[in-house]
Amino acid sequence: DIQMTQSPSSLSASVGDSVTITCRASQPIRNYVNWYQQKPGEAPKLVIFVASSLQNGVPSRFSGSGSGMDFTLTIRRLQPEDFATYYCQQSDSTPYTFGQGTKLEI
Amino acid sequence: QEQLVQSGAEVKKPGSSVKVSCKTSRDTFSNYAINWVRQAPGQGLEWMGGVFGTANYAQKFQGRVTMTADESTTTVYMELSSLTSEDTAVYYCAKVVTAMTPKGAGDVFDTWGQGTMVTVTS
Repeated sequence: DIQMTQSPSSLSASVGDSVTITCRASQPIRNYVNWYQQKPGEAPKLVIFVASSLQNGVPSRFSGSGSGMDFTLTIRRLQPEDFATYYCQQSDSTPYTFGQGTKLEI
Repeated sequence: QEQLVQSGAEVKKPGSSVKVSCKTSRDTFSNYAINWVRQAPGQGLEWMGGVFGTANYAQKFQGRVTMTADESTTTVYMELSSLTSEDTAVYYCAKVVTAMTPKGAGDVFDTWGQGTMVTVTS
């Protein structure tokens, strides 16, 4: 199985800051990484797909990059509603696997 | 807006089985795979498998999980047997779409159900 290692596991930031979350795959996965946002008590929500495509309705302050084994999610000008847990996921092959999550806190 | 509607919370005894349902639209049922992801309390996301015609299961759950689809009601089911306390989790269904982008065509979980809490306790 492909392991997805996310860092950091938690991150403190303030409204207006920019943050970057990284995800490393245990083997090359081309561009097949998706990023999800999850708030307490809610289902995950797709934010970025295939490394860098922005899901409809997601603000442009979110961006993704990377290919091969290393990927990043960047959020610029943090807003209060961005504080959540973020997960990367590889969809290169089954079993689809997720990173352990990054909790973004104020 | 597309919605996946899951069945309600369950409390089960160790060794028993649970069957969780995920109601979809006719379009979703006919054209997209439904996958299942679970999340233990305070933990991350774990892919269990999916179904679109045939089922594909994570090896961890092989022999213990069955995913089926009922065309008459456009409902997808996930049944997990031989439950232990480690199966206590929120179970989500998710619609899988193949997204076409300049960087390639990749599967994404673009719509999720609201989640079903399954508690295994004696």
